[in-house]
Amino acid sequence: QKEVEQNSGPLSVPEGAIASLNCTYSDRVSQSFFWYRQYSGKSPELIMSIYSNGDKEDGRFTAQLNKASQYVSLLIRDSQPSDSATYLCAVTPGGYNKLIFGAGTRLAVHP
Amino acid sequence: DTAVSQTPKYLVTQMGNDKSIKCEQNLGHDTMYWYKQDSKKFLKIMFSYNNKELIINETVPNRFSPKSPDKAHLNLHINSLELGDSAVYFCASSQLQEQFFGPGTRLTVL
Repeated sequence: QKEVEQNSGPLSVPEGAIASLNCTYSDRVSQSFFWYRQYSGKSPELIMSIYSNGDKEDGRFTAQLNKASQYVSLLIRDSQPSDSATYLCAVTPGGYNKLIFGAGTRLAVHP
Repeated sequence: DTAVSQTPKYLVTQMGNDKSIKCEQNLGHDTMYWYKQDSKKFLKIMFSYNNKELIINETVPNRFSPKSPDKAHLNLHINSLELGDSAVYFCASSQLQEQFFGPGTRLTVL
């Protein structure tokens, strides 16, 4: 079982719609959870971090964490073509300051 | 003002050569990392240094040797390069949990 799992996509949504990206993780003692956006040929860019159960909103982005289900998600409201990228879910395992990444979900927002 | 910078951006070399990649951060962070992103875009931790001390070494071949002369710099030296070393290498830094990545170095071994 992979430590962090994501659907590779592509996830295709129309402009203006809500994009929903999902991630599950295997280490129950994972402490910190992150979403990175990576455009083709560029470096990962941190867009959201979440540390406790519930929702965290930042502009058009909402991260949701459910530690009991070992599940973290990212919602992008009013999706724009510029949101088209690969979204990487990352988890910090208990006691270690390193990121374990999922394989990423490719999002395509079409006009 | 680049927060995490790497040089070179591209590196093309022959099998068996030795090469180095340099990383610098001006964020004042205590911890720096090297990650490798392979051809399938999977990003994986290699090393982590905290204030010049190695704290994470993820079963990387000993041909890879990181060095941190000070907490703002973390270099990666690779000996006897192999075809499988071709990848994008990212440096990152953090002060607490959030990690910030450099632009990457695309290494191609021929």
